[in-house]
Amino acid sequence: GAGVSQSPSNKVTEKGKDVELRCDPISGHTALYWYRQSLGQGLEFLIYFQGNSAPDKSGLPSDRFSAERTGGSVSTLTIQRTQQEDSAVYLCASSSSSLAHGYTFGSGTRLTVV
Amino acid sequence: SQQGEEDPQALSIQEGENATMNCSYKTSINNLQWYRQNSGRGLVHLILIRSNEREKHSGRLRVTLDTSKKSSSLLITASRAADTASYFCATLTTSGTYKYIFGTGTRLKVLA
Repeated sequence: GAGVSQSPSNKVTEKGKDVELRCDPISGHTALYWYRQSLGQGLEFLIYFQGNSAPDKSGLPSDRFSAERTGGSVSTLTIQRTQQEDSAVYLCASSSSSLAHGYTFGSGTRLTVV
Repeated sequence: SQQGEEDPQALSIQEGENATMNCSYKTSINNLQWYRQNSGRGLVHLILIRSNEREKHSGRLRVTLDTSKKSSSLLITASRAADTASYFCATLTTSGTYKYIFGTGTRLKVLA
């Protein structure tokens, strides 16, 4: 596609429920990243996929968070048993392997846990 | 963990004035980028400067990099109300995995 697409744009969920956030990267981009941004804060790295390599999961805050990338394209970030502190904007970005032009970000998913 | 720290945290200027934002980082970098974020959603890539470069220009944007001081600055000249946004620096370190670490951001407000 022309850009990075994220869905849903907004998600309100009850505490304790599981949620899935989807990211559709730019076609041909081999790298895909998930970041989290709490209100008024900077971006917190969560996870990074590069081609067929093992993902870098070093930023996942707890074992309630997981992500997968199927067929080297679409990625799903899953948060199990959501907590109020999980409320944030979840941003996905993709890039070419060379990072020559930086990241292209999606518009994000605003997650609110009530 | 945060690699970059932007300064100031917030900046308010009049339209037509120049805006300068600074970024300091901690470890050696491969390159540094600046991004703009409107309304707390997706970020837009502005400019990339490599570790062997000292200055780059793009339109009204001027970025400098001082690797000896581990700092970078973003200058927006002749600012416009539409420049109101948050600005983040992001660094690609020379060690570790291939990902950018973002700073805390500067919130710029340009008053018409």
